[in-house]
Formats: sequence, C-alpha cells, structure tokens
Amino acid sequence: GQNIDQPTEMTATEGAIVQINCTYQTSGFNGLFWYQQHAGEAPTFLSYNVLDGLEEKGRFSSFLSRSKGYSYLLLKELQMKDSASYLCAVRATNKLIFGTGTLLAVQP
Amino acid sequence: NAGVTQTPKFQVLKTGQSMTLQCAQDMNHEYMSWYRQDPGMGLRLIHYSVGAGITDQGEVPNGYNVSRSTTEDFPLRLLSAAPSQTSVYFCASSYGRDRGRRSSGYTFGSGTRLTVV
Repeated sequence: GQNIDQPTEMTATEGAIVQINCTYQTSGFNGLFWYQQHAGEAPTFLSYNVLDGLEEKGRFSSFLSRSKGYSYLLLKELQMKDSASYLCAVRATNKLIFGTGTLLAVQP
Repeated sequence: NAGVTQTPKFQVLKTGQSMTLQCAQDMNHEYMSWYRQDPGMGLRLIHYSVGAGITDQGEVPNGYNVSRSTTEDFPLRLLSAAPSQTSVYFCASSYGRDRGRRSSGYTFGSGTRLTVV
C-alpha cells in the first residue's frame, strides 16, 4: 500500500518563505504532485516531479528525492491568497493517492 | 473546453436511496478517478479507470460502483446511500502518459456535495 505524511498545519508571515514537507512510502512510484486547495473549492495543480531534483515555477518550487521518499514544496514571497491547503499526492502505477494535506495560514 | 464537468453540484438523499453522480471530460484524457473528501481525511480514492472498459478499485470502494463505457464519461453509482457516504465527491482526469517531464497533472471537477439523511 501507500503511506503519505505531511504536517497538518503551518503558519507563516506574508512576504516570507515556507517549506511544506512530504514523505511517502509506495511501490510502483511514478511521480509526485502538489496541489493547492482553497476552502470550498476543487484542488488545482501546482507542480509535478518524476525525477530527482528541483522544479521551479514562479514563486513555487518543488523538490523530489526518490531514494529518501521525500519531497517539499517551497513557497516564496508569501501572499495572503496563499492561505490554503496544500496536498501532496503520489502516483503509484495507475493510481493517484493523496496525503491528508497541510493547511497553511499566512498572517500579515 | 469545459474541462471536467460534474453534476449535480449539491444533492440530498435519504438513507437507502440510490443515485448516480455524473462526470464528463472533453480533454480526451485516458485516466479518470473518483475521490471523496471528508474533514481531516484528505482525498481518498474510490474507483479509477485507465481507459474505456477498464475500471479498478481504489482505497474506499465499498458501496460504490463505476463503469467506463466511453472515454468521456465516468459515472459513480451509490447503490444504497448511507449517512457515512455524506461527503464531497470529486472526479479527476489526466493523460495516461506524461508528455516528457512536463505533466499537466490531474484536472478536477468542481465537486458534488452529497448529504445522506
């Protein structure tokens, strides 16, 4: 089976940098995704890693280490609108399995 | 493109009733999945499909049926609704094979909020 762990809640200050970690154990690993979900809305795709290393997309970066079963999402220059849940998801063979998500609160 | 369309957006059922949640996508995606989301539980995979005529169980399949007769549609059927099935249901779709390292990820519908009383 799969096991995906991420912190339940985090708090950060507007303009700062925050790192959300995700560890996973799975068989048939075929990529790791990060999603953002605002309250009452559907998840939206942020990033994808299938090879080790850092992928950067604007203020958001995601890192993957397959040997350690570890990923992180880095958010820079935090804005109030970044307050949301951030979901780590692992694709194992043909299934996409989610962690329980990290609720990020950005404070002024 | 409409993306992933889910209907209805809201539904109230009585215990024991059956219903079908509809999901349709117009992106020619091979993969389609159904999730439920409950407070503190994250998104849990109910059933998924890798192509027309092919379905498989996810993490929490009991009480739900699916079929995939076309690439576009992936309905979720609740056979006999129970209060434990009160949840928000999301349908998602994606390409079956990544386009190199740049994946567009899974696209989600807007969700169906189901209450079983």
